[in-house]
Amino acid sequence: GDSVTQMEGPVTLSEEAFLTINCTYTATGYPSLFWYVQYPGEGLQLLLKATKADDKGSNKGFEATYRKETTSFHLEKGSVQVSDSAVYFCALRKAAGNKLTFGGGTRVLVKP
Amino acid sequence: NAGVTQTPKFRVLKTGQSMTLLCAQDMNHEYMYWYRQDPGMGLRLIHYSVGEGTTAKGEVPDGYNVSRLKKQNFLLGLESAAPSQTSVYFCASASGGETQYFGPGTRLLVL
Repeated sequence: GDSVTQMEGPVTLSEEAFLTINCTYTATGYPSLFWYVQYPGEGLQLLLKATKADDKGSNKGFEATYRKETTSFHLEKGSVQVSDSAVYFCALRKAAGNKLTFGGGTRVLVKP
Repeated sequence: NAGVTQTPKFRVLKTGQSMTLLCAQDMNHEYMYWYRQDPGMGLRLIHYSVGEGTTAKGEVPDGYNVSRLKKQNFLLGLESAAPSQTSVYFCASASGGETQYFGPGTRLLVL
């Protein structure tokens, strides 16, 4: 079945550091790929998405490129802020049913 | 426009007790979902609905039932709670194949 694997955390960084969170997936067909963010005590919010190979999703300084050849969708940000401290989830969606399959989540802690 | 709301925010149950979690959305979305979130396992789909009066099983449906009597509401029921159902439950809604919007979550502790 479909699955999403992302690096385990926690990832601890200093402010203005470069952030990368790896995400790889296993799926048949051509899924859409997503990054969701969960701030402390809140629900998940869509951060960015990509619907086909080589698409780049971007939002709030975060970027991720849909790489079909490596089945990856790594999340990057060039200069993190304390406010980026959260749990980040990679997910895929197949065309039928609009159901999401999530990775285990990566907790990121940014220190001043 | 409140988006997706969930009731209650937190609940403690004893093993064997029953309860219902309520999810409501005001975005006129057709699709609604219930997930559970456990440490290191991401979110797993329990049940979902593609329209009023319809429900379907997700990845981990055992021990749960759902109903979608009104388009804006999606209820998740636990008939006989077990400690393994201790989790954080999230509801989401979507318009067709579009982005899912999540509620703030319900934290459930089963003793």
